[in-house]
Amino acid sequence: EDKVVQSPLSLVVHEGDTVTLNCSYEVTNFRSLLWYKQEKKAPTFLFMLTSSGIEKKSGRLSSILDKKELSSILNITATQTGDSAIYLCAVTGANSKLTFGKGITLSVRP
Amino acid sequence: DGGITQSPKYLFRKEGQNVTLSCEQNLNHDAMYWYRQDPGQGLRLIYYSQIVNDFQKGDIAEGYSVSREKKESFPLTVTSAQKNPTAFYLCASSIGYRDSGYTFGSGTRLTVV
Repeated sequence: EDKVVQSPLSLVVHEGDTVTLNCSYEVTNFRSLLWYKQEKKAPTFLFMLTSSGIEKKSGRLSSILDKKELSSILNITATQTGDSAIYLCAVTGANSKLTFGKGITLSVRP
Repeated sequence: DGGITQSPKYLFRKEGQNVTLSCEQNLNHDAMYWYRQDPGQGLRLIYYSQIVNDFQKGDIAEGYSVSREKKESFPLTVTSAQKNPTAFYLCASSIGYRDSGYTFGSGTRLTVV
């Protein structure tokens, strides 16, 4: 059974801090790892990482896939209160099913 | 604009009642999914459909039923057999079942009263 573990489950930082969110996985025939941001309702897509694309960056957010360690990190630099959200990590494997972790609740204080 | 519409946003159900959550997409996506989200549990897959008139059980299908009579629509019925239905329900779609690019609806929060 595919498994995704995210850590920490929650954290509180102050504006301007840099945070690193972790995701580790066990999946048969790994295909991709995805990061989503969920603020109130619908998760919104951030990044997809695959064997051919192990590093992505968009503004203050960046993500790296470590296939050897079966893990990924999501970095957010110069955090803002608008970054407060639940960050979801998900993986797809041989069965193409998307398996989600429990999510990381990030709170950014002014 | 294309997207996924879930309705209603909030739903209250009495114990013993069946309720149906609506999910409609105009993205021309073949695959559709239903997830349940509980605090601290992440998203868990209830049912998915790769194509019209076909659907498969996910990890927590007991107490739920679905239909896929039209490409655009994938309603979820929460039956009285579901012992703990209070949760946030999310519908999603993707171009194909093997496509990782999911688009999510805004969700329905179901509360049993």
